[in-house]
Amino acid sequence: DAGVTQSPTHLIKTRGQQVTLRCSPKSGHDTVSWYQQALGQGPQFIFQYYEEEERQRGNFPDRFSGHQFPNYSSELNVNALLLGDSALYLCASNMGSLNYGYTFGSGTRLTVV
Amino acid sequence: KNQVEQSPQSLIILEGKNCTLQCNYTVSPFSNLRWYKQDTGRGPVSLTIMTFSENTKSNGRYTATLDADTKQSSLHITASQLSDSASYICVVSEAYGGSQGNLIFGKGTKLSVKP
Repeated sequence: DAGVTQSPTHLIKTRGQQVTLRCSPKSGHDTVSWYQQALGQGPQFIFQYYEEEERQRGNFPDRFSGHQFPNYSSELNVNALLLGDSALYLCASNMGSLNYGYTFGSGTRLTVV
Repeated sequence: KNQVEQSPQSLIILEGKNCTLQCNYTVSPFSNLRWYKQDTGRGPVSLTIMTFSENTKSNGRYTATLDADTKQSSLHITASQLSDSASYICVVSEAYGGSQGNLIFGKGTKLSVKP
């Protein structure tokens, strides 16, 4: 039973560029959440997707956008990258209707130079 | 404002010793509280999850407690091992439409176990 898989594992981009990160949820999960974790900090909530729609959103600018596909996989897009966007991006999945069961992926390490 | 505060920020203990990590939260409405272990550069791995009606939950050498009245939780690690060296993150989930919503993360306690 595959857990949450994220790709790529590492990525280096130049300031101003755009990036797309991908996440496949754990089998049986239908909700995907994205988090940004700066070095030495706890993860910060970006947004959550359920039934292919953004259900909740954290305090992130519109440069951060996402998408969920019919197979529940998800993408996180970041436009006009800033140096401060360098972080570990974590994807977590769960069954949206249940009160437990968040599973995290290993993350994508994004470095903006 | 929904917040999760953890203490201490960092901790160094000798192998075989016990330790207790603390978590205070002000999240409302409350759904559940989890403790995660996160190795550097890796995703968090769940240790325990508790709803408001549960006041203790064990997972091997890890025992979590929850006092929903005072909004405090602790994670007790017994007979520590070198592999316990990691960040331990307290995470509180908001209730959202009858299920769980956003996760509010603490900044974590960085535990170092020395031989």
